[in-house]
Parts: sequence; structure tokens; C-alpha cells
Amino acid sequence: DTVLTQSPALAVSPGERVSISCRASEGVNSYMHWYQQKPGQQPKLLIYKASNLASGVPARFSGSGSGTDFTLTIDPVEADDTATYFCQQSWNDPYTFGAGTKLELK
Amino acid sequence: QVTLKESGPGILQPSQTLSLTCSFSGFSLSTYGMCVGWIRQSSGKGLEWLANIWWNDDKYYNPSLKNRLTISKDTSNNQAFLKITNMDTADTATYYCARRGTEASGYFDYWGQGVMVTVSS
Repeated sequence: DTVLTQSPALAVSPGERVSISCRASEGVNSYMHWYQQKPGQQPKLLIYKASNLASGVPARFSGSGSGTDFTLTIDPVEADDTATYFCQQSWNDPYTFGAGTKLELK
Repeated sequence: QVTLKESGPGILQPSQTLSLTCSFSGFSLSTYGMCVGWIRQSSGKGLEWLANIWWNDDKYYNPSLKNRLTISKDTSNNQAFLKITNMDTADTATYYCARRGTEASGYFDYWGQGVMVTVSS
């Protein structure tokens, strides 16, 4: 299976820019997607196919990358962005998810 | 407005079969290109994709669990189902159903709230 590696946690101050990385163990073309999950809630789609903003998602969120290295950027970070962020690939079977990056605000 | 909601037993014993129902609205699984998937989340294994079912009744399973999974649908009642046989404590998780996005890229654009399933003797 394709393993997606994410940093476990990040801490940033409101108003700053943060980049959350996801590295795939094998190429996934541009078929990488990003989700936000707050405690007690279901995941919410933010970015699909590496760089496409999902409907209703603020333009503060953006995605980039292809192949094996991908980045979710939030600029500027707001207090409400405190959450865990997951990447998911759908190029290789089976679909797999990263373990998540927990974003905390200072 | 697309919504999905999972329902299930909550608690079951090891070796039992789990039956989950996903009731959805705002789209139809009889529409070309539509697909519903099941994903679970546990503290031990994180998010794990389990299975997809398509509008044409094609089914895809995670190979690691394939011999234990059965996905099905009832198009007329806007429901999808997942059965997992021979449940174990390791299957304790929150189970989500989600609609696969319409851009044909394998992402899930709408998720249910999830149903917690505990396997315990």
C-alpha cells in the first residue's frame, strides 16, 4: 500500500503562514486530497487533486505538489483552523490516508 | 443539499457480523458516476478506506479486508450498506460513509457524522 507520511504536529501563531507536508512512498500523480477534522467531527474536504479548492472552503487554504511530495498551505492562519489535517491518495489501490498533522495555535 | 448518516449496532461481540447502513439525500446512487464509500477511523490505524460501491453496482474493496467485507445498495431508498464478518476488538472504530466526489478523482466530498462501533466481549 502507498504510505503517506505527515509531520505529527505543528504550532503557529494566528496571522502566520503554515505549510503542512505529505510525502507518498510512491508516486500518486496529482491524486492527493486534503481534509480537515476537528474533534468530534467528521473529516471535511479542503483540497482535491493536489490544488483544487473544494466548494465553500476559504481561499486561505491552498494545495500544491505532484508525484510524491505535496503541501497544504494556510495563509493566514486563523484561530478556527485548530484541527487535524489529513492527506489521502487515490492514484494507487487501495486508497490510503496519512496519519494526520495536528495544528495548534500559539 | 447532500447529507449522509450512518447507523449501526454500537456494540457487538467478537466473531459477530457488523451491519452498517448509510442513509443519504441530495443525490442518487442510480445517477451515472455516483459512488459511496465506507471509511473507518480508529486510534490505532487512523483513517482506513474500506470499500466503494458505484452507480452501476461495481464494488471495490480494500484487499486487506476484502474477504470480510460486503458492500451493497438500495437505490430506491437511498441507502448503502456494509457488512463486516468475524469482527475483532481491532475493528473497534468510528465508521463513516462518504460520497465520492464527482470530479472522478477519488476524493470524498461529503461525509456522514460517523457511527462508533465497539467490539467487546
